[in-house]
Amino acid sequence: DAKTTQPPSMDCAEGRAANLPCNHSTISGNEYVYWYRQIHSQGPQYIIHGLKNNETNEMASLIITEDRKSSTLILPHATLRDTAVYYCIVRVVDDKIIFGKGTRLHILP
Amino acid sequence: DTAVSQTPKYLVTQMGNDKSIKCEQNLGHDTMYWYKQDSKKFLKIMFSYNNKELIINETVPNRFSPKSPDKAHLNLHINSLELGDSAVYFCASSQPPGNGYTFGSGTRLTVV
Repeated sequence: DAKTTQPPSMDCAEGRAANLPCNHSTISGNEYVYWYRQIHSQGPQYIIHGLKNNETNEMASLIITEDRKSSTLILPHATLRDTAVYYCIVRVVDDKIIFGKGTRLHILP
Repeated sequence: DTAVSQTPKYLVTQMGNDKSIKCEQNLGHDTMYWYKQDSKKFLKIMFSYNNKELIINETVPNRFSPKSPDKAHLNLHINSLELGDSAVYFCASSQPPGNGYTFGSGTRLTVV
């Protein structure tokens, strides 16, 4: 079973920052937070992951609260191509990935 | 291009047939996976292989038999296909420790 809770859907205006929340209140000390997305009819795509510290790469930023019970994925300038289902996953390094239901993000023109 | 490639992309077949889906990765990864995404869009892991050795078998019916001839290939053979096997099957690979998975573009299997 997935250990995360995400809103089923969100809207965001094109050009604005998309902030996708994730609750993982039962996360263990050795579990990382991973984010993937699945654009319609494509395979899931890795976005970013982190343990404690905030992380940033060319796709997104990951903000993890100090108690690690929740996190936010930030797409700084959302485009129509960011419309997808976004999955927040917690896992021990190299354990299998278990996908939950994710958040369906709609970018509005 | 470096990637995970699956063939075929689409597969339509009759109940009772046997079919195979092939997966190849040229990323040099040690671990490969098969996932199934059903009509409700839930992604579920089926198998995981590490350097040709079966690591995970998630109570998949034994009609499904993965085969890994080398660490760059993980094929999925399905015997006696049933209507409920209709789904999109994704292959993926990863390189420990801690890196993300790279997924293929999927094989849409339709059993009629």
